[in-house]
Amino acid sequence: ETVLTQSPATLSVSPGEAATLFCRASQSVNSKLAWYQQQLGQAPRLLIYDAFMRATDIPARFSGSGSGTEFTLTISSLQSEDFAVYYCQQYNSWPYTFGQGTKLEIK
Amino acid sequence: EVHLMESGGGLVQPGVSLRLSCGASGFIFSDYAMSWVRQAPGKGLQLVSAIDGRGTNVYYADSVKGRFIFSRDNSRNTIFLEMHSLRAEDTAVYYCARFAGSWPMFPSFWGQGTLVAVS
Repeated sequence: ETVLTQSPATLSVSPGEAATLFCRASQSVNSKLAWYQQQLGQAPRLLIYDAFMRATDIPARFSGSGSGTEFTLTISSLQSEDFAVYYCQQYNSWPYTFGQGTKLEIK
Repeated sequence: EVHLMESGGGLVQPGVSLRLSCGASGFIFSDYAMSWVRQAPGKGLQLVSAIDGRGTNVYYADSVKGRFIFSRDNSRNTIFLEMHSLRAEDTAVYYCARFAGSWPMFPSFWGQGTLVAVS
């Protein structure tokens, strides 16, 4: 099973600043990595797939990069609605797995 | 508009069975693989099971293999999750999610979830 480790567990950033979230895989997942945003009490929402492709209707301030075992999600100029929990997910090999999440909170 | 609606959750005792359903609309159902993803209270996400568009290939997480059965009825645009021998650790919100294509990849659209509490 591929283990995804996200860092940091919690990130405190001021609105208008940028945030960078990390996801490390225990083995290569090639570029088969997605990122999700989950607001409190809501279902997750797909942000990024194939490591860097933005999903439909996702603002350009969200960007993904990386391949193999190291991935990043960058959110430029944070808006109030961006403060949430973010998960990465690999779909290179079954069982597909999620990271434990990074909570992005207002500083 | 894509719409997924889960039903069937509830409070049950350990050892019993429960069946979840998820009705879909707004897309050609058989063109998409589907999944069940669960989230225990205050915890992260776990992809429990996945099924391809035709229902030919089904995948399970080790934690539910042999206890859960995932099926789909393409004539009714519905998926089902039969859960047997339920345990306290199965307590979670269960989300129905549609993959991006006919083969399981990444869930691209999610329902609002149904709570299963085993106690």
